[in-house]
Amino acid sequence: QSALTQPPSASGSPGQSVTISCTGTSSDIGAYNYVSWYQQHPGRAPKVIIYEVNKRPSGVPDRFSGSKSGNTASLTVSGLQAEDEADYYCSSYATSNRGVFGSGTQVTVL
Amino acid sequence: EVQLLESGGGLEQPGGSLRISCAASGFTFRSYAMSWVRQAPGKGLEWVSAISGRSTGTYYADSVKGRFTISRDNSKNTLYLQMNSLRAEDTALYYCAKGPYHDFWSIFYDWGQGTLVTVSS
Repeated sequence: QSALTQPPSASGSPGQSVTISCTGTSSDIGAYNYVSWYQQHPGRAPKVIIYEVNKRPSGVPDRFSGSKSGNTASLTVSGLQAEDEADYYCSSYATSNRGVFGSGTQVTVL
Repeated sequence: EVQLLESGGGLEQPGGSLRISCAASGFTFRSYAMSWVRQAPGKGLEWVSAISGRSTGTYYADSVKGRFTISRDNSKNTLYLQMNSLRAEDTALYYCAKGPYHDFWSIFYDWGQGTLVTVSS
């Protein structure tokens, strides 16, 4: 199971928006609405910020939103804040009861 | 409050075995599927294995199938990962993660802090 494809980096100024793509196949993202996104700060465990494509756990700001079209999912962070600087990973359920993560995107707040 | 505490990591030689554990508290352990996710130093996340709440289903990544075995003891609120035939590429921080339901694991809602496994001669 190959990793989902994410851009290595993304950046934006405070207050701006940044969108991260996550490209998979018809066996994972394209087949199921079980796409999740995780935020990981250096030295910390990951934290779920989006699940089932576009749902936010309680406590996650509505600045974070998710979407999906075909085999590609996207995470948008609106109104960038300094604390949003982190690594972001997408994840999807895949056929044959497998899980797959994206390659990760480092977000920099300029 | 959900707490997941991994333990058992360490240095092991290639070809060796190691069992890591994850002690859970703050929720009804048997009601949730659990997973192991690993992260090699400086690298991204990789799903390793998952198990349903009552151990009726176990699932593995191709990279560990046949070498690793996931299990759980609901009476002890503990998740395990038995790792055999270890390779250098198994070197990683191993996280345990709690799923959303007893029979679905592919959303990793809560995470532990990880236990480091190093495979080297």
